Amino acid sequence: QQPVQSPQAVILREGEDAVINCSSSKALYSVHWYRQKHGEAPVFLMILLKGGEQKGHEKISASFNEKKQQSSLYLTASQLSYSGTYFCGTERISGSARQLTFGSGTQLTVLP
Amino acid sequence: SAVISQKPSRDICQRGTSLTIQCQVDSQVTMMFWYRQQPGQSLTLIATANQGSEATYESGFVIDKFPISRPNLTFSTLTVSNMSPEDSSIYLCSVGGAMEEQYFGPGTRLTVT
Repeated sequence: QQPVQSPQAVILREGEDAVINCSSSKALYSVHWYRQKHGEAPVFLMILLKGGEQKGHEKISASFNEKKQQSSLYLTASQLSYSGTYFCGTERISGSARQLTFGSGTQLTVLP
Repeated sequence: SAVISQKPSRDICQRGTSLTIQCQVDSQVTMMFWYRQQPGQSLTLIATANQGSEATYESGFVIDKFPISRPNLTFSTLTVSNMSPEDSSIYLCSVGGAMEEQYFGPGTRLTVT
């Protein structure tokens, strides 16, 4: 089942902050965050694992509430290069099978 | 990190024909994944391709329509068979282990007329 992302779109000025939320109705092993610019492949930003471990971008932070099955991505002091569509991906593992399901995306536009 | 290439980068095909998309990785990987992304939409997992076993398809995708090969640890193909305009989309392959970052290829933009 596809995780729910909010907001669908956000416009902000350079230097402003933004928060993107992602929630799932199912128990998760991890939450991934990716950014995709128009015409390009998605690029990895962050992965948050059960138990609190995080891997990823130094300048981007995120949180993962395992009990609520929710994650938030925090973009602080945004730069023009932050513009793009952000996808969260919720990961479930069953035996040797692994499934990464992406949310509907949040389109972020940073204006000068 | 992994570097992934895909061929072709784009194609325009006629209804009823088939197209095979190739995905090449610069290192050996266990899991390879195929996604579809329709314009302005999210990524939808088509199937997981592990070397030495049959691909595992997600709900709504069947082997007859999207046959996949995985002959070795660096290569996979996805065929879109008997195409219709609804198959027009971007098809991406990706690699990445469980609870690890995932790397995506540049995608194949398919238009079916």
